[in-house]
Amino acid sequence: SAVISQKPSRDICQRGTSLTIQCQVDSQVTMMFWYRQQPGQSLTLIATANQGSEATYESGFVIDKFPISRPNLTFSTLTVSNMSPEDSSIYLCSAGDSRGEQYFGPGTRLTVT
Amino acid sequence: AQSVAQPEDQVNVAEGNPLTVKCTYSVSGNPYLFWYVQYPNRGLQFLLKYITGDNLVKGSYGFEAEFNKSQTSFHLKKPSALVSDSALYFCAVKDPGGGFKTIFGAGTRLFVKA
Repeated sequence: SAVISQKPSRDICQRGTSLTIQCQVDSQVTMMFWYRQQPGQSLTLIATANQGSEATYESGFVIDKFPISRPNLTFSTLTVSNMSPEDSSIYLCSAGDSRGEQYFGPGTRLTVT
Repeated sequence: AQSVAQPEDQVNVAEGNPLTVKCTYSVSGNPYLFWYVQYPNRGLQFLLKYITGDNLVKGSYGFEAEFNKSQTSFHLKKPSALVSDSALYFCAVKDPGGGFKTIFGAGTRLFVKA
């Protein structure tokens, strides 16, 4: 298993600004993912963070809006750019292997006003 | 394309009674199947998985799940529910030949009443 930490745990931001969320894993992992979740609802995959190369984005998500970095096997960041109230959500980082088992961070609760 | 369905938005059960949370899936090959639990205001926790082998898999907190290939199901079960089991449960599926993406179900909220 892996222990995932995220920061910040929550933030309130003004529209038009950007927020960078950090995700740290306590061990080297093959895969890291970023999800978005409305409270009480399912997870939507934003992108797969690839170490040393550009992230792989899911349909509906673009790099200009959600730039992702993954400089090494234990760390990744997600930036939510030019925020609007529609970006208010919980953002989850996860780490896993190629078989699919994932370990999740506690989440970042973002409110955009 | 792979998909997963959790037909019940909510399951209510009395403490001490057995519980079942249902999950069905659709995938082209042999699936990797998972259950995760999310307690209030917390991230998801891995409960158990089926990759291959015995159709009955055991996981954390006394939970188990049964893989049924003919019915394409992977229902989560526990013989005796606890109030502390009340949470949001997600079934997830991965197609081994479909890259790294895992698909999550819509979630089932479990309420265990004392």
